Amino acid sequence: GAVVSQHPSRVICKSGTSVKIECRSLDFQATTMFWYRQFPKQSLMLMATSNEGSKATYEQGVEKDKFLINHASLTLSTLTVTSAHPEDSSFYICSARAGPEKLFFGSGTQLSVL
Amino acid sequence: KQEVTQIPAALSVPEGENLVLNCSFTDSAIYNLQWFRQDPGKGLTSLLLIQSSQREQTSGRLNASLDKSSGRSTLYIAASQPGDSATYLCAVRPEETSGSRLTFGEGTQLTVNP
Repeated sequence: GAVVSQHPSRVICKSGTSVKIECRSLDFQATTMFWYRQFPKQSLMLMATSNEGSKATYEQGVEKDKFLINHASLTLSTLTVTSAHPEDSSFYICSARAGPEKLFFGSGTQLSVL
Repeated sequence: KQEVTQIPAALSVPEGENLVLNCSFTDSAIYNLQWFRQDPGKGLTSLLLIQSSQREQTSGRLNASLDKSSGRSTLYIAASQPGDSATYLCAVRPEETSGSRLTFGEGTQLTVNP
């Protein structure tokens, strides 16, 4: 089946630093990728929809200047958490659309901001 | 705004037992409903996808049903095994949006005891 690679799997950083998370579709091209955030014991919340070659569409309440999304190629989308703070600590998951009904998820990134 | 609720939040059963997980959604205007499995600290694996026109889907020991008009879906797991232990998430895709924008429930954490 299709594979979505997400890196890093875990990152610990100091407050105020920026963290970049990569999401790659390894064996298919994805014009659309999605970024989710998941707090412990809670559901996945969609943060933004990333479209190749255009600006990302952010969900209400998600700060676009804080969560920078770049989808420069058909196989790579990146999420950069700028000036991270402890409240940004969460599990971030990307997904990529391989077809009309085919959505594949990355393995997630656990971000801990000290 | 679509809301997805899963009951129970957690379930612990002995190996071999048949079990049912429940999912309800507030807006019946859905395109499809999907059940996922999530292992601790990992991404999501799609289990079953039911189109809005379908009543059920089966894969191995899993059977998912959909009653769109009442806003309910169930995931039936037959002859449960310890390897089935995971969090099960249901997600709905609305009719009116393109792409694969999903709304997730908070999940049912299943533990199957040997």
